[in-house]
Amino acid sequence: NAGVTQTPKFQVLKTGQSMTLQCAQDMNHNSMYWYRQDPGMGLRLIYYSASEGTTDKGEVPNGYNVSRLNKREFSLRLESAAPSQTSVYFCASGTSGSSYEQYFGPGTRLTVT
Amino acid sequence: GEDVEQSLFLSVREGDSSVINCTYTDSSSTYLYWYKQEPGAGLQLLTYIFSNMDMKQDQRLTVLLNKKDKHLSLRIADTQTGDSAIYFCAGAISGQNFVFGPGTRLSVLP
Repeated sequence: NAGVTQTPKFQVLKTGQSMTLQCAQDMNHNSMYWYRQDPGMGLRLIYYSASEGTTDKGEVPNGYNVSRLNKREFSLRLESAAPSQTSVYFCASGTSGSSYEQYFGPGTRLTVT
Repeated sequence: GEDVEQSLFLSVREGDSSVINCTYTDSSSTYLYWYKQEPGAGLQLLTYIFSNMDMKQDQRLTVLLNKKDKHLSLRIADTQTGDSAIYFCAGAISGQNFVFGPGTRLSVLP
């Protein structure tokens, strides 16, 4: 039982390049999330998926797109990377119903030069 | 919307108790959570409390909730060096409406 896995762990991009961050969970959770973490700012929600086939914008969606491929996988795409997108990206999956517990992957550290 | 605040740093001696504090603005938060983040890792759910509870205890962890003052605290008894990490408070109104605080970096001194 791997929990939530993310690839890659580290990535360096040049401004304007594109890439996709991959996330998969094996806990049979309906909900999945993408967050970014910046120093002193906690985590900010980029996109959210309540179930397969549905996605919703979070607090900071500009410059990102997502795809909920199936129940297990939720990918985040940067179409044209900018230095402001330098951050640590976390994927999480969560229980629906009463307590909304979230379980996080190990993160992807992205640097855009 | 919800805003969650925490002090950024806390240092304690090994064996002492640690108390990490959090204040939030939206009283409609249904659940309040404490997460732990160790260096280079993701967030790990430590515990959570439902908004109609005042206290929850789980081994060395005690969560206190003061709804009137919108204040949440996490007490770690007998703090160990392995407890050194960043601790995040978070509130949730719904499954998509999570707000995290900036995190408190706990340093445990030998």
